[in-house]
Amino acid sequence: AQSVAQPEDQVNVAEGNPLTVKCTYSVSGNPYLFWYVQYPNRGLQFLLKYITGDNLVKGSYGFEAEFNKSQTSFHLKKPSALVSDSALYFCAVRDRSLRGGQNFVFGPGTRLSVLP
Amino acid sequence: DVKVTQSSRYLVKRTGEKVFLECVQDMDHENMFWYRQDPGLGLRLIYFSYDVKMKEKGDIPEGYSVSREKKERFSLILESASTNQTSMYLCASRGTGVINEQFFGPGTRLTVL
Repeated sequence: AQSVAQPEDQVNVAEGNPLTVKCTYSVSGNPYLFWYVQYPNRGLQFLLKYITGDNLVKGSYGFEAEFNKSQTSFHLKKPSALVSDSALYFCAVRDRSLRGGQNFVFGPGTRLSVLP
Repeated sequence: DVKVTQSSRYLVKRTGEKVFLECVQDMDHENMFWYRQDPGLGLRLIYFSYDVKMKEKGDIPEGYSVSREKKERFSLILESASTNQTSMYLCASRGTGVINEQFFGPGTRLTVL
């Protein structure tokens, strides 16, 4: 069965420093990978996705993520954090070999706090 | 600009009441989803629909039902609300095509007293 792990419940980083939010996954086939962000009392907003090709994916608000097949990871990164990046971040995976709504699985979320 | 709207941002109901949560999307998407979000558990799929009048159970369908009479509207129904259904409910839609991401509504925070 497919699954997504986000090993850190909370990540704290100082403004201006680089940030990394970690994600590892387990699927039976080749994955599609996604990152979403959730600001307080809001729905999830799409940040970026990996489908195929270049392992480094660039997305919204200066975020990027690196797909690493051997480590089954898809870590979210940003070179210089902003206080406004403070939010809840979700990694999600879709197993290409499965059909139906349950083939899209979310991780538990990582709360990012950027300190001024 | 794509949009998924949910009928209420905040809702307070009493145990045993029947509760309707409405979701509307304007993107002509075939697929629509209902999730609940609880701290530390991420998003859990309740039901999803891949076409009008079509539905499939997700991971936690017990205590819930859904209705999709029109393509743009997907309703979540709590037949008899219970306190353990207090949660944030998120609706999402997605077009066909395996690479498409989901678009989410703002969420409904439901409290059952």
